[in-house]
Amino acid sequence: EAGVAQSPRYKIIEKRQSVAFWCNPISGHATLYWYQQILGQGPKLLIQFQNNGVVDDSQLPKDRFSAERLKGVDSTLKIQPAKLEDSAVYLCASSHRNTEAFFGQGTRLTVV
Amino acid sequence: GENVEQHPSTLSVQEGDSAVIKCTYSDSASNYFPWYKQELGKGPQLIIDIRSNVGEKKDQRIAVTLNKTAKHFSLHITETQPEDSAVYFCAATSGGYQKVTFGTGTKLQVIP
Repeated sequence: EAGVAQSPRYKIIEKRQSVAFWCNPISGHATLYWYQQILGQGPKLLIQFQNNGVVDDSQLPKDRFSAERLKGVDSTLKIQPAKLEDSAVYLCASSHRNTEAFFGQGTRLTVV
Repeated sequence: GENVEQHPSTLSVQEGDSAVIKCTYSDSASNYFPWYKQELGKGPQLIIDIRSNVGEKKDQRIAVTLNKTAKHFSLHITETQPEDSAVYFCAATSGGYQKVTFGTGTKLQVIP
């Protein structure tokens, strides 16, 4: 089966600019996650969707980050405006009915 | 919320030796414990998992043990090979929507 697809792979922006990341989960997976992974740390959950509804966004900095999952399939994560500390790899993952989460390759964001 | 601690942060072993990584979790309701391997520039990939109704699970050179009473679980890799070099993350999953919380990671280096 096809894996989780993410784009772009790399992005460099200046602080205060906006950026968007896209994720296409594995077909049929109802749960979609966005994680932020800062260099040398474990992934930190930003937001979790069940179909097109948000079930956990407790660690999402809502003043600058937003995410949506229209039609319960693809998802986009947006940052506006970006800060230097947002430099990280943004990982998307999906899972099906309490099974393992499959991860995409991530988008490496550098804010300068 | 769930808190997962992981030790050690770095581990160097000679090829052929065993490696052990330990994790503790805080939420007694956690019921699924996956282990992920992350190679440079890639997303985490599941290598083994264990559910709370099982004490031990083995898959070739990799084994995981779970002690629910003490709330800790461990990854054991035997006969290590250079290709085992990577960052390993433990995780704990809890809640009706299976929120996944990651440990801080262990960088394993297998010296030929």
